[in-house]
Amino acid sequence: AQKITQTQPGMFVQEKEAVTLDCTYDTSDPSYGLFWYKQPSSGEMIFLIYQGSYDQQNATEGRYSLNFQKARKSANLVISASQLGDSAMYFCAMRGHNTNAGKSTFGDGTTLTVKP
Amino acid sequence: GAVVSQHPSRVICKSGTSVKIECRSLDFQATTMFWYRQFPKQSLMLMATSNEGSKATYEQGVEKDKFLINHASLTLSTLTVTSAHPEDSSFYICSARGRQEAGGTDTQYFGPGTRLTVL
Repeated sequence: AQKITQTQPGMFVQEKEAVTLDCTYDTSDPSYGLFWYKQPSSGEMIFLIYQGSYDQQNATEGRYSLNFQKARKSANLVISASQLGDSAMYFCAMRGHNTNAGKSTFGDGTTLTVKP
Repeated sequence: GAVVSQHPSRVICKSGTSVKIECRSLDFQATTMFWYRQFPKQSLMLMATSNEGSKATYEQGVEKDKFLINHASLTLSTLTVTSAHPEDSSFYICSARGRQEAGGTDTQYFGPGTRLTVL
């Protein structure tokens, strides 16, 4: 079985500062992918970043980086230089390559509020 | 980037009517499409998984006769909420899984969602 845990229901950050959103996961699949999505108030799920379980380096996409610690089974999202437009709900997700019929498992989400 | 469109974005209907929601992958062929339901401030709840040309696989507790899914092509899937009732009011999101380009990451992309209100 796959499980994603996001322990922070809500987070606040000052504009221009960095923030880390926590995500831990559990899976028996040796090969898997980890994803982060942003969902603003409009409702659309926006893909942010991907990390493969065998990737040697942490993924980065612009101001987003993924702090992947495989031994700890954590995949935290780091947003640098926060902007007001970053205020949204953020979901961590994973997909096992060999299990769960290719379906993704989502965490409960973290609501991020960026303060001016 | 990869784009998934969903139509309509918002629908209000009377109880007992049926509502069809369309989901299209615009610039890639989706190997699989997913339909989710989301309540306010909650995570996505997977309703069903569909592959082109085959019957959808429904998650436990989801009524297949209530939520009809048709996956007509590699770029189009539809969800029909039959005989809708107020408890079906929710935010429905489709997702298409595929690669933007050959050799690219197999990623799940989401549509903008459909907010259904049943009176």
